[in-house]
Amino acid sequence: AQKITQTQPGMFVQEKEAVTLDCTYDTSDPSYGLFWYKQPSSGEMIFLIYQGSYDQQNATEGRYSLNFQKARKSANLVISASQLGDSAMYFCAMREVQGAQKLVFGQGTRLTINP
Amino acid sequence: SQTIHQWPATLVQPVGSPLSLECTVEGTSNPNLYWYRQAAGRGLQLLFYSVGIGQISSEVPQNLSASRPQDRQFILSSKKLLLSDSGFYLCAWSGDRYYGYTFGSGTRLTVV
Repeated sequence: AQKITQTQPGMFVQEKEAVTLDCTYDTSDPSYGLFWYKQPSSGEMIFLIYQGSYDQQNATEGRYSLNFQKARKSANLVISASQLGDSAMYFCAMREVQGAQKLVFGQGTRLTINP
Repeated sequence: SQTIHQWPATLVQPVGSPLSLECTVEGTSNPNLYWYRQAAGRGLQLLFYSVGIGQISSEVPQNLSASRPQDRQFILSSKKLLLSDSGFYLCAWSGDRYYGYTFGSGTRLTVV
């Protein structure tokens, strides 16, 4: 079974600093997708970034990058130049490629950006 | 473009009352559909998923059930709510492979 582990329940960062949110995963499938979502207090789930298991390069989307280390089974999210609006819950997730394509989530990290 | 609608946004129900949450998808056909529940400050737990009309798979045994009467309609139900059913319920469809799921706006259910 697939499993996602986020070991940082909460993080506090000064505005404009870079922040790394940790994520490790476990799966026996050779093919999978890794995602990061942002959930503000409104509850909506906002897609941030995707990394495929066979992608050679780390994914980047604006200020977000995913540090993918396949051998270590880690997929850390890096946010550069943090902003006050980045304060939210962040979830790492892994998706099956075959079958029902279920998306399994970690427990999340609450990020707080201080001015 | 594809959109997903979920209602109601908030719901306060007494213990023992029935529940019906509805989710509909537009702009796609034969989507995989999912119901998740999120306890306060926690991650998302997959409750049910459906790969087609009338096909329901349960991930966690519980007081809830799901149905898919039409291709783009997914319903979460309960005959008698428990206090432990309180939470934030999210409907989703599988969407684009590279962008993960598309989520509804969620329903905050409080059982009193």
